[in-house]
Amino acid sequence: GQQLNQSPQSMFIQEGEDVSMNCTSSSIFNTWLWYKQDPGEGPVLLIALYKAGELTSNGRLTAQFGITRKDSFLNISASIPSDVGIYFCAGQGPERIQGAQKLVFGQGTRLTINP
Amino acid sequence: DGGITQSPKYLFRKEGQNVTLSCEQNLNHDAMYWYRQDPGQGLRLIYYSQIVNDFQKGDIAEGYSVSREKKESFPLTVTSAQKNPTAFYLCASSPGTGASTQYFGPGTRLLVL
Repeated sequence: GQQLNQSPQSMFIQEGEDVSMNCTSSSIFNTWLWYKQDPGEGPVLLIALYKAGELTSNGRLTAQFGITRKDSFLNISASIPSDVGIYFCAGQGPERIQGAQKLVFGQGTRLTINP
Repeated sequence: DGGITQSPKYLFRKEGQNVTLSCEQNLNHDAMYWYRQDPGQGLRLIYYSQIVNDFQKGDIAEGYSVSREKKESFPLTVTSAQKNPTAFYLCASSPGTGASTQYFGPGTRLLVL
């Protein structure tokens, strides 16, 4: 099946630093989604991308849909303590399943911030 | 408030026991999903449902069962056939046709006694 390679697996940074993480796929995706998960909670949607080349911001977060449609990245600027958590990418391929859309998830990037 | 609720937050299962995890949404979404999350791993799809009275197996359906009798509800039963049930279970929903974005509930952690 489709697989996503998310990197890095973990990051240890100082407060105020910028963060960059990415996902690559072996096949083309039509949609890229970025989620953040706090310990013991469900993932929360951060940014959704629907077109190749699309660049979208949500506050200090910026994500881009790669022009090859096989990758996406997420940047966080000026990190703060509440950014700590696990960030997941998810992609949806071109196969059409009416109604429900199956997503493929990356394995997550664990972000730790030293104050 | 609109959203997805899951209960209970923690669930303990004895050997050979079936347990049912609840998922309810008031977002008027057509599609609902169940995922399993193991430590250090991404989410794996168990079952999904596009409309009421219809559901499909995901990638790891063995040992699980679901029902979709109402649009708002998509309960998951972890049966005794699931030999390694300890995990974090997440329910999600999406508007349905043409909409990829899925929204998640807070999760249920299942532990085996």
